[in-house]
Amino acid sequence: DVKVTQSSRYLVKRTGEKVFLECVQDMDHENMFWYRQDPGLGLRLIYFSYDVKMKEKGDIPEGYSVSREKKERFSLILESASTNQTSMYLCASRKGQKLNNEQFFGPGTRLTVL
Amino acid sequence: AQSVTQLDSQVPVFEEAPVELRCNYSSSVSVYLFWYVQYPNQGLQLLLKYLSGSTLVKGINGFEAEFNKSQTSFHLRKPSVHISDTAEYFCAVSMIIQGAQKLVFGQGTRLTINP
Repeated sequence: DVKVTQSSRYLVKRTGEKVFLECVQDMDHENMFWYRQDPGLGLRLIYFSYDVKMKEKGDIPEGYSVSREKKERFSLILESASTNQTSMYLCASRKGQKLNNEQFFGPGTRLTVL
Repeated sequence: AQSVTQLDSQVPVFEEAPVELRCNYSSSVSVYLFWYVQYPNQGLQLLLKYLSGSTLVKGINGFEAEFNKSQTSFHLRKPSVHISDTAEYFCAVSMIIQGAQKLVFGQGTRLTINP
């Protein structure tokens, strides 16, 4: 079974803090994704990565950066957290480049920025 | 622009009643379609997917969906729901956008089952 884990289920940070969200997958998937989930908006893609040290901007990259130093790990970084980044963050991974391959999701991190 | 629309943000139904969650997409090219389910305080889990072939797709937990190319729809159905089906359901379309493979999600439908 594919397993995608995220470092924290709940996180509370203060405005201006630097925040790291970690994601690890154990199935050697090439592709990894970060989404944020907000009520009524579904999931929106922040960043994704096709390979180690590669990163691509998604639909809402502003205020975020990512790091992929190892194949199994994909980190989302909030350089200076703001209250409008309070959200649920979901990490996902996918094998290969076929469009019909499903994405596997982690349990999510609910981030609150005060 | 490519998009996915889930027409109902909330759907309340009684236990053992049938349910249909609607999904429409817009795309001028071939797509692959997915339904994901998110139980409370969990991540997303694949319910079913349409890749090609038969337009009626069966998934887990008794759910099925029908792909209708002419109406660009992929509605999710279950003939008799259970309390445990209470969750949020997301329709998603896999497509290439500006050279990148992306999964585009609908806004989600919250299904509430009442006893």
